[in-house]
Amino acid sequence: DAGVTQSPTHLIKTRGQQVTLRCSPKSGHDTVSWYQQALGQGPQFIFQYYEEEERQRGNFPDRFSGHQFPNYSSELNVNALLLGDSALYLCASSLGGINEQFFGPGTRLTVL
Amino acid sequence: AQRVTQPEKLLSVFKGAPVELKCNYSYSGSPELFWYVQYSRQRLQLLLRHISRESIKGFTADLNKGETSFHLKKPFAQEEDSAMYYCALTNSGGYQKVTFGTGTKLQVIP
Repeated sequence: DAGVTQSPTHLIKTRGQQVTLRCSPKSGHDTVSWYQQALGQGPQFIFQYYEEEERQRGNFPDRFSGHQFPNYSSELNVNALLLGDSALYLCASSLGGINEQFFGPGTRLTVL
Repeated sequence: AQRVTQPEKLLSVFKGAPVELKCNYSYSGSPELFWYVQYSRQRLQLLLRHISRESIKGFTADLNKGETSFHLKKPFAQEEDSAMYYCALTNSGGYQKVTFGTGTKLQVIP
């Protein structure tokens, strides 16, 4: 089991563009959470998906949206990118809500 | 609103010295508290959670509801403990939203 995988590893976009980040959970996990980690900060919770529905959401604008597929993998979409969206985006998976979360390596997004 | 405060960005201790990483929280209900660790070039991983009441790699943390704290302690620091440590809080029950602190970098000096 490769654990939680994320793609791509790095991404460079320009302001106003849209981006999609992908996450495959650890085998056997059914819940995916997404976090944004700016430089020097702790991860900030964006949202959590369970049974293909968004179950909890942090303080992020509607430009941030997501999706969970029947195989439990997930996508994070960000529209109308701003310079401030530059960050490391982390995906974490767990079994049923927040039991132990297993984190992926992250996707580094740079917005120019 | 839930909030986690880690007052120290960097904590430097000598090998063999005691370690205490501070964490204070703000939450109106009954929270669940965690410590996560990130070693150099590795993923963020769970170190311990308060409901387990375990000692992991010699680290312990006690939830003090009166002081709203969840400090991480180890009696004798080792070089391999050098890492970034994050305190995190979530609401108990239902679908949970996790709030992380800003992290403390622990540097153990040989």
